[in-house]
Amino acid sequence: DAGITQSPRHKVTETGTPVTLRCHQTENHRYMYWYRQDPGHGLRLIHYSYGVKDTDKGEVSDGYSVSRSKTEDFLLTLESATSSQTSVYFCAISSSGGTDTQYFGPGTRLTVL
Amino acid sequence: AQSVTQPDIHITVSEGASLELRCNYSYGATPYLFWYVQSPGQGLQLLLKYFSGDTLVQGIKGFEAEFKRSQSSFNLRKPSVHWSDAAEYFCAVGTTTGNQFYFGTGTSLTVIP
Repeated sequence: DAGITQSPRHKVTETGTPVTLRCHQTENHRYMYWYRQDPGHGLRLIHYSYGVKDTDKGEVSDGYSVSRSKTEDFLLTLESATSSQTSVYFCAISSSGGTDTQYFGPGTRLTVL
Repeated sequence: AQSVTQPDIHITVSEGASLELRCNYSYGATPYLFWYVQSPGQGLQLLLKYFSGDTLVQGIKGFEAEFKRSQSSFNLRKPSVHWSDAAEYFCAVGTTTGNQFYFGTGTSLTVIP
């Protein structure tokens, strides 16, 4: 299994509070991705990174920001959490981007009350 | 625009029966195609992938998929389903521009004894 961890694994928070999710990899892969998974929608890309300090928006980026200061860490921040951001969040890594296999972390279940 | 369609939201098969999960994609360039499986509460695991060459690809757990360019399809098959195959299955296309992946909404597989 690829070395990908996500923290926390579960989190309950209140509307309006900031939340940061962390993805850590030990594979030295260049590309890192954040997805959210919701019933009926499959996986939707929030943001991705193609190198340290290089990030880009995905399909559902509103209300989210990301940072990547080291190859191994990719942070997802909800500046002011809303109930619509209740979801399961997955981090993924890829060596060569869209032409290569993605490896997924175990997911973070976030509930916003 | 790129997209992936999995027309079957849910499929039920008997153990030992054959299985085919459908996937259609929309992508203007050469597609990089993937099938992933997700067990409850888990992250996604790669079953197989198609990049080029032989249009019939073999994957793990006895799965195979056939790429048909004329039909823009990449259907997943298994000749004899086992109870442990019950899971959610996702088809995805990887892009060379933007290095992103697009996922279908998934097909949930139930296996009955």
